[in-house]
Amino acid sequence: DAKTTQPPSMDCAEGRAANLPCNHSTISGNEYVYWYRQIHSQGPQYIIHGLKNNETNEMASLIITEDRKSSTLILPHATLRDTAVYYCIVGRSSNTGKLIFGQGTTLQVKP
Amino acid sequence: DAGVTQSPTHLIKTRGQQVTLRCSPISGHKSVSWYQQVLGQGPQFIFQYYEKEERGRGNFPDRFSARQFPNYSSELNVNALLLGDSALYLCASSSELGVETQYFGPGTRLLVL
Repeated sequence: DAKTTQPPSMDCAEGRAANLPCNHSTISGNEYVYWYRQIHSQGPQYIIHGLKNNETNEMASLIITEDRKSSTLILPHATLRDTAVYYCIVGRSSNTGKLIFGQGTTLQVKP
Repeated sequence: DAGVTQSPTHLIKTRGQQVTLRCSPISGHKSVSWYQQVLGQGPQFIFQYYEKEERGRGNFPDRFSARQFPNYSSELNVNALLLGDSALYLCASSSELGVETQYFGPGTRLLVL
């Protein structure tokens, strides 16, 4: 599975959009981009995933560049409860039970 | 509906002992995966089970073993505990193989002294 690169930490003001970047330059054609987050001392929580089209759900939006080498997770109106470690993971749909987590980005939402 | 449940929530063991951790997946979910999360790191994949068969194993020594029961619950066993086994052990379930959404439990925090 392709590796991902994320900034170690980011800050965001409450109520503003949080844009979390992820680089996955070695992604292959059949690999998806998955985002999970982990709030302190809890298990990771699925947020969203995509292959090549932009995706949106009730939690977030996922923007994938046309060459698929990078993506951005957007939390449109960040709240204090969105403070967490966000993981960008690349993998095949057949391997979703074997997620390869990196270090993730620690997002701190500030009042 | 109940989410993924794990027991115990916390556990303290001494070096050389053996430990068994338990996981109950979401009702109807057939796939269970185990992860180890050392403090400050992302979770690391240990095992995946589906329909009681091992479908994947991460880079962990043979001291780590697991099994899945007919009701799809699962146990993770670790023998000859080392100080480095101290970690949060997470269980995740999904309805089938290849399903995008994995649901994680709260984890079992193991401390080895």
